Amino acid sequence: DVKVTQSSRYLVKRTGEKVFLECVQDMDHENMFWYRQDPGLGLRLIYFSYDVKMKEKGDIPEGYSVSREKKERFSLILESASTNQTSMYLCASSLTRGDQPQHFGDGTRLSIL
Amino acid sequence: SQKIEQNSEALNIQEGKTATLTCNYTNYSPAYLQWYRQDPGRGPVFLLLIRENEKEKRKERLKVTFDTTLKQSLFHITASQPADSATYLCALGAETSNTGKLIFGQGTTLQVKP
Repeated sequence: DVKVTQSSRYLVKRTGEKVFLECVQDMDHENMFWYRQDPGLGLRLIYFSYDVKMKEKGDIPEGYSVSREKKERFSLILESASTNQTSMYLCASSLTRGDQPQHFGDGTRLSIL
Repeated sequence: SQKIEQNSEALNIQEGKTATLTCNYTNYSPAYLQWYRQDPGRGPVFLLLIRENEKEKRKERLKVTFDTTLKQSLFHITASQPADSATYLCALGAETSNTGKLIFGQGTTLQVKP
């Protein structure tokens, strides 16, 4: 069965720390995505990647960067965590063809103190 | 700018009735639309895809319609059950891109009472 695994379900970090969120998929998907989900705002795209070492900014990339060194792994990096980055972070993957469904992990609830 | 609207108020219905959820969009011409289900503490799970040249799609108790003139999709769950209680998200996509990038609505929470 299709599986997207996020490294942590819950994470607590301090303001100014560099934070790494990891995502691994076992479906050989080309596309991978990072979203944040906040009440009333829905899912907002931070970054996505359509191939190894390829990335594109989403709607809210400020304060974040990403890394995709291997096809199955997509990392989200908070360069210097701030309290307004407290949120639920969701990773997803999909096949190349545009209308393919996205497969999501169960999310990382990140709190920045 | 592109905007997707789903009813932000929770929808409460009685078991056995049909639930109808609405997804409206503006400033966008999607090639397809997807619906997802999200349970508390879990990631969204894909349910149905409908393309711009399709009026209706069905899957078991689920039915989706897509009206590109009204810029609206309706999502129906017939003979609803308490297990259908969840948040339902609509998402729009453009065929012009191979990135599979989607724009998500904020979701509507459905509560089915026994």
